[in-house]
Amino acid sequence: EPEVTQTPSHQVTQMGQEVILRCVPISNHLYFYWYRQILGQKVEFLVSFYNNEISEKSEIFDDQFSVERPDGSNFTLKIRSTKLEDSAMYFCASSEGESKNIQYFGAGTRLSVL
Amino acid sequence: AQKVTQAQTEISVVEKEDVTLDCVYETRDTTYYLFWYKQPPSGELVFLIRRNSFDEQNEISGRYSWNFQKSTSSFNFTITASQVVDSAVYFCALSERGSEKLVFGKGTKLTVNP
Repeated sequence: EPEVTQTPSHQVTQMGQEVILRCVPISNHLYFYWYRQILGQKVEFLVSFYNNEISEKSEIFDDQFSVERPDGSNFTLKIRSTKLEDSAMYFCASSEGESKNIQYFGAGTRLSVL
Repeated sequence: AQKVTQAQTEISVVEKEDVTLDCVYETRDTTYYLFWYKQPPSGELVFLIRRNSFDEQNEISGRYSWNFQKSTSSFNFTITASQVVDSAVYFCALSERGSEKLVFGKGTKLTVNP
């Protein structure tokens, strides 16, 4: 069964460093998403991406965040200068078509900022 | 504003008991979509079900059933004859017609003891 793949599973970084989280969405999907889950809390939407541009973003998704689809398969989330409060599980998701289609999630990348 | 409330933070049952997880939502939109996701201890988010606001039929899938009631803005999830493998955090989520994002509740941690 096709699945969303995220790498790495765990990323440790120093405060102020840049990190790139990588995702390979399901191959025929057209919409891509990033969510985050701070430990023990609910899952929060960050951004959606369609047709090579951001279609929606939350207040959390400020200037230190960016997303990119550098090729036909990868979808990345970059955090420019990490802060302690960026420590969380980051989930990538993809859906087949317009929203309301089911969003399928990857296993997540746990980001630890020291 | 859209909001999802899962009032039960944690539930503990003994195997073979039936258990119902509550979900109450708020939205001003007349067209919206409701979802349930499962997050097992391994951390990934697993899609369980999607309902749209025009379809109030209850749904059964094996030991799982869902009760959608617009009159009370609820979308409850029942597991019949629970099993240890059902132990997980269960999230209810809402998506409005004009938005790409899923808004999640805080989740209910279900522990099924042998």
